[in-house]
Amino acid sequence: DADVTQTPRNRITKTGKRIMLECSQTKGHDRMYWYRQDPGLGLRLIYYSFDVKDINKGEISDGYSVSRQAQAKFSLSLESAIPNQTALYFCATSELLAGGADTQYFGPGTRLTVL
Amino acid sequence: AQSVTQLDSQVPVFEEAPVELRCNYSSSVSVYLFWYVQYPNQGLQLLLKYLSGSTLVKGINGFEAEFNKSQTSFHLRKPSVHISDTAEYFCAVGLSGNTPLVFGKGTRLSVIA
Repeated sequence: DADVTQTPRNRITKTGKRIMLECSQTKGHDRMYWYRQDPGLGLRLIYYSFDVKDINKGEISDGYSVSRQAQAKFSLSLESAIPNQTALYFCATSELLAGGADTQYFGPGTRLTVL
Repeated sequence: AQSVTQLDSQVPVFEEAPVELRCNYSSSVSVYLFWYVQYPNQGLQLLLKYLSGSTLVKGINGFEAEFNKSQTSFHLRKPSVHISDTAEYFCAVGLSGNTPLVFGKGTRLSVIA
């Protein structure tokens, strides 16, 4: 979805390096998410933010940190990358609909390889 | 807490044959249900969703799903698949608006010519 962009799209780095993945959205949504995808494990939630002042840990937050710089921007950092953080990373956004449901919209993904 | 089980990790099917991808969820309260599709080298896109009302939900590309509360299932179906349907399909469940969606591990659909 072009409304959610992720940079970079591909990144190869070395163990111990600090890496930042960036996500921007033009959908005007308050809610943003970071997931990682590994073969056979599906999508696992790393962090999520329901508004600019709200940051919450997901299922697998260890080794990661996030920053919500603005409504439209949500970045994910790996302070000291390790090989098992090699994965496909997705950013998503959503808006809360009447009745309590919200639908997530995903970016194209960032493929990160840690050597 | 809610959870989602996609019973098949891989489903091979011949072109023009019907397909059903199974999804079961566990929750003690009312849920919202979603199916997402991920084509090769792309992000996830919404296929269909059940929020309330009719239990039969129609989505894009000829897919439909039926919400069955008694069996806690939300299986995805298509009467005749095409090669272009080859993708990974994810089922997801949501509760209230205060918790993120929970995704299943995915089912890889391979359509064989």
